[in-house]
Amino acid sequence: DIQMTQSPSTLSASIGDRVTITCRASQSITRWLAWYQQKQGKAPKLLIYKASTLESGVPSRFSGSGSGTEFTLTISSLQPDDFATYYCQHYNSYPWTFGQGTKVEIK
Amino acid sequence: QLQLQESGPGLVKPSETLSLTCRVSNGSISSNSYYWGWIRQPPGKGPEWIGMIYYSGSTYYNPSLESRVTISIDTSKSQFSLKVNSVTAADAAVYYCASLNWKDLRFDNWGQGTLVTVSS
Repeated sequence: DIQMTQSPSTLSASIGDRVTITCRASQSITRWLAWYQQKQGKAPKLLIYKASTLESGVPSRFSGSGSGTEFTLTISSLQPDDFATYYCQHYNSYPWTFGQGTKVEIK
Repeated sequence: QLQLQESGPGLVKPSETLSLTCRVSNGSISSNSYYWGWIRQPPGKGPEWIGMIYYSGSTYYNPSLESRVTISIDTSKSQFSLKVNSVTAADAAVYYCASLNWKDLRFDNWGQGTLVTVSS
């Protein structure tokens, strides 16, 4: 199985900050990567797929980049609604696996 | 926009079978654009992909669960189902159903999730 490792596990930031979350795959997944946002008690919400394609309706302050084994999710200017846990997920080969999550907290 | 809703018992005894159903509305479960998937999330952990099914009945399963899992579909009722046999405490989780857009392989619509506890 391909292992997905996110860093950091927790991130403290302020409104307006630029935030970057990293996801590393244990082997190349080309660009078959998605990012999700999850709020407490809710289902994950798709933000980005194919590493950098923004899902319809998702604010443009979210962006994704990377290929191969290293990927990043960037929030250009953190907003109050963005405090949540973020997960990456690969779909390069079965089984599809998720990272362990990065919690974005208020500083 | 597609809507998905999970249903089923919230409590299952160890060694018994967990059974959940996901009803699809605001769209056709027989669409050739979607697979229908199950994902679970143990408390405090990341999600785990369980498997998925096409309207034709074609399935893909996570190998770690494949020996105990069956996903089926009933297009006449616009629903698909999950069965997990011989459950243990490790199967306790929030179970989500989701639509997988086959063109881009993205889980674009999710149910609200249902918590399953395993206890005698």
